[in-house]
Amino acid sequence: GEDVEQSLFLSVREGDSSVINCTYTDSSSTYLYWYKQEPGAGLQLLTYIFSNMDMKQDQRLTVLLNKKDKHLSLRIADTQTGDSAIYFCAESPLNTGGFKTIFGAGTRLFVKA
Amino acid sequence: NAGVTQTPKFQVLKTGQSMTLQCAQDMNHNSMYWYRQDPGMGLRLIYYSASEGTTDKGEVPNGYNVSRLNKREFSLRLESAAPSQTSVYFCASSEPSGGAGGSYNEQFFGPGTRLTVL
Repeated sequence: GEDVEQSLFLSVREGDSSVINCTYTDSSSTYLYWYKQEPGAGLQLLTYIFSNMDMKQDQRLTVLLNKKDKHLSLRIADTQTGDSAIYFCAESPLNTGGFKTIFGAGTRLFVKA
Repeated sequence: NAGVTQTPKFQVLKTGQSMTLQCAQDMNHNSMYWYRQDPGMGLRLIYYSASEGTTDKGEVPNGYNVSRLNKREFSLRLESAAPSQTSVYFCASSEPSGGAGGSYNEQFFGPGTRLTVL
């Protein structure tokens, strides 16, 4: 079945890089996503990657995709206290018509000053 | 544009009471969704509406009903609330695109409703 797994917590020091990892099961997903949830708010799309790409860079964010291992990662360079949030990995399997998005449990990132 | 709005923001119910969570979007999106968020379990899809006039069950539909009132509004009803329905509820909307080649489906979320059932 469809499943997205990620670790629940990550703690880093301000200025260090953060790497959040995710594994997914459905290889039919054309797009894979990273959403960010700040305290008391809804989720907001942070970045996404098309499945025929290995890497996507967007300012401090780098997304790496290993389709063979069904592994997705999000690297945040020079992590700031404002990056403290919950980060969700997500996929939209084609067999759902693209309407359903499967979310991981979320990784809570703590940034220590 | 307000994006996705939800009411109420907070609600406390007693077991057996009923209530309706309201959601509206002003982005002219065809698809709308209701999720619940529980600690350690991420987001779980309750119901979704791919387009006006259609609704489908998600992963955890038991105990809930939905109504797609029009293109803008999608409500979630708890007929007889139970403590297991204590959660944070999020409404989202999207406009999937990409056709047969694969669907890009960025979802836009409301701020959530924090529901406690005693």
